[in-house]
This record gives sequence, C-alpha cells and structure tokens, in this order.
Amino acid sequence: GAVVSQHPSRVICKSGTSVKIECRSLDFQATTMFWYRQFPKQSLMLMATSNEGSKATYEQGVEKDKFLINHASLTLSTLTVTSAHPEDSSFYICSARNQAGPQHFGDGTRLSIL
Amino acid sequence: SQQGEEDPQALSIQEGENATMNCSYKTSINNLQWYRQNSGRGLVHLILIRSNEREKHSGRLRVTLDTSKKSSSLLITASRAADTASYFCATDSAGGTSYGKLTFGQGTILTVHP
Repeated sequence: GAVVSQHPSRVICKSGTSVKIECRSLDFQATTMFWYRQFPKQSLMLMATSNEGSKATYEQGVEKDKFLINHASLTLSTLTVTSAHPEDSSFYICSARNQAGPQHFGDGTRLSIL
Repeated sequence: SQQGEEDPQALSIQEGENATMNCSYKTSINNLQWYRQNSGRGLVHLILIRSNEREKHSGRLRVTLDTSKKSSSLLITASRAADTASYFCATDSAGGTSYGKLTFGQGTILTVHP
C-alpha cells in the first residue's frame, strides 16, 4: 500500500530555533501534499495544501511566513517552522496523494519548543 | 475549519461489545472517510463511503451514510482491546470523483477494556 514517511518523529528545541519537517511519499508520486496541526485530544486542523512546483495554499489564520512549505518534487514536501516559540509546540502531520487517489498520512512529528 | 461533529466524544466499552460512533457534517460531500489514530501516531484509513452509497462493510466495520441528514455512523462489532484508539470522520467536498481537501470531525476516543 501507499506509504508516507515523515521525519523527524520528535523534535525538542529551544525557542527561536527554526525546525524543518520532511514528508516523503515512498512508492507513489504525490502531486498534492497536506500539512495538518493537531493539539492534544483535538482533531486535525488543515494548515496548508501544497501542489508540486507551485506555492502552497494556506488556510485562513495560518501565517505563511511562520510556516514555510516547499514541495519541490513529486515525492518530498517540507514544512519549516521559523523562529519557533512554545505556542508552536504541537503534533504536525502530513499527508500525500496523487491525482486520482485518497490521502495517505505520515506518522506525525511531535514538536516541543522549550 | 472543522465542520464535522462526532459523538460521543468518548466511549468506554468491554471487549466483545459493539461500538457505535456518529458523525455529522454541514456541507455537501463527495465522500466521507473514517480514520483511526493510535495515541501519538498518524492516521490510518479505515473505510471510504461515497455520497451515492448508503452502507459499506469492511471486516468488523460497518459504515452508514445518510446524506439527507448529513450524518454517518461507524460500527465496530465484537470489539477488541486493540481497537482502543481515536476515530475520526473526514468529509471530502470535491466534485466528481476527484479527491480534495478533507475536513475532520472532532473525533471519538474509544477505550475497549479487556
């Protein structure tokens, strides 16, 4: 089945650090990737949608300068949390799909900013 | 924005019992999907039901969809302790047979006691 790999699974860093999270589709070409944020015991909230080779589309209220998304190839998208602060601590999950298929999810990244 | 509402928010049952979770949504949909999430992990796709379908089965899972009431239910029969997880419904509002953005419900936390 379709596999999406997300790395790293856990990040702990100091306030002010920029953190990059990678999302890779291992056995299919991901024309579209999605980035979600999930707070404890809450649902997934879509942050942005990225299509390969074009700029990401951000959901209302998500700061594009804070959460930089790059989708430079059909198998890789990255989310960079710039100058992270404690309020950015959360569980970030990516998903990927090709043109005709459903979304396949990564295992998530637990980000903790001290 | 999250358009789905699920109930109950939490469900605690004994092994062997059936578990029923409900999901309501607000807009027209192309399909509705159910996902499972173990604590601290990504989402696992369980089942997809299209807007022109009323019921679908997969193993111990049974999903119903009532588009007139904008609601869906997930039934897990003969539950096992390993079914303990959070369950989310997600609606896809894309037109035709393409797959678009998913909007997730708030989720149901299911605990199955051995």
